[in-house]
Amino acid sequence: SQQGEEDPQALSIQEGENATMNCSYKTSINNLQWYRQNSGRGLVHLILIRSNEREKHSGRLRVTLDTSKKSSSLLITASRAADTASYFCAPRGATNKLIFGTGTLLAVQP
Amino acid sequence: DVKVTQSSRYLVKRTGEKVFLECVQDMDHENMFWYRQDPGLGLRLIYFSYDVKMKEKGDIPEGYSVSREKKERFSLILESASTNQTSMYLCASSLGRGTWVTEAFFGQGTRLTVV
Repeated sequence: SQQGEEDPQALSIQEGENATMNCSYKTSINNLQWYRQNSGRGLVHLILIRSNEREKHSGRLRVTLDTSKKSSSLLITASRAADTASYFCAPRGATNKLIFGTGTLLAVQP
Repeated sequence: DVKVTQSSRYLVKRTGEKVFLECVQDMDHENMFWYRQDPGLGLRLIYFSYDVKMKEKGDIPEGYSVSREKKERFSLILESASTNQTSMYLCASSLGRGTWVTEAFFGQGTRLTVV
């Protein structure tokens, strides 16, 4: 299956702390994408990392990819209350399917 | 900016009705997707389409069909709505295939209630 599995299922931190969430997958990929979903809304793309990249940054986001372990991590530094959301990873392989897991629910306490 | 527009934000239908959920994107994307999202189950892929008139089943196609007559429009059809199809429905589109597949853009979602 091309589906990614996010871990942990839920994460609660204080404002200003860093948040790390992980994604594991089973198939070979072309890229891996991370998305955020605020409650009751559509998903918003955060960052895409290609299979030949090991790390990528975008603002307060840092994504790593280890294709040998078939895993990725998303780090949000200096978290804010507005970062409270669900986060999903989407490994993209040879098929055009876009499949998500159940996500990580991040709660940032003010 | 890419825009993916779903025809309704909220919808209430009766059991047995035929329901159409419409999704339109404005960036010439070849890939379009329909999902449903239920608490604790994440997003589950119902159908996707990688070209006009082309469609593939996702993980939960039962009770649904789709139509893609034009590149910009992807419709989800509930042939005979049932209460267990009460859910949030999300549409998405993306560009490219294989190595060059890009990120997906999502609509705002349609919360469908079947009574």
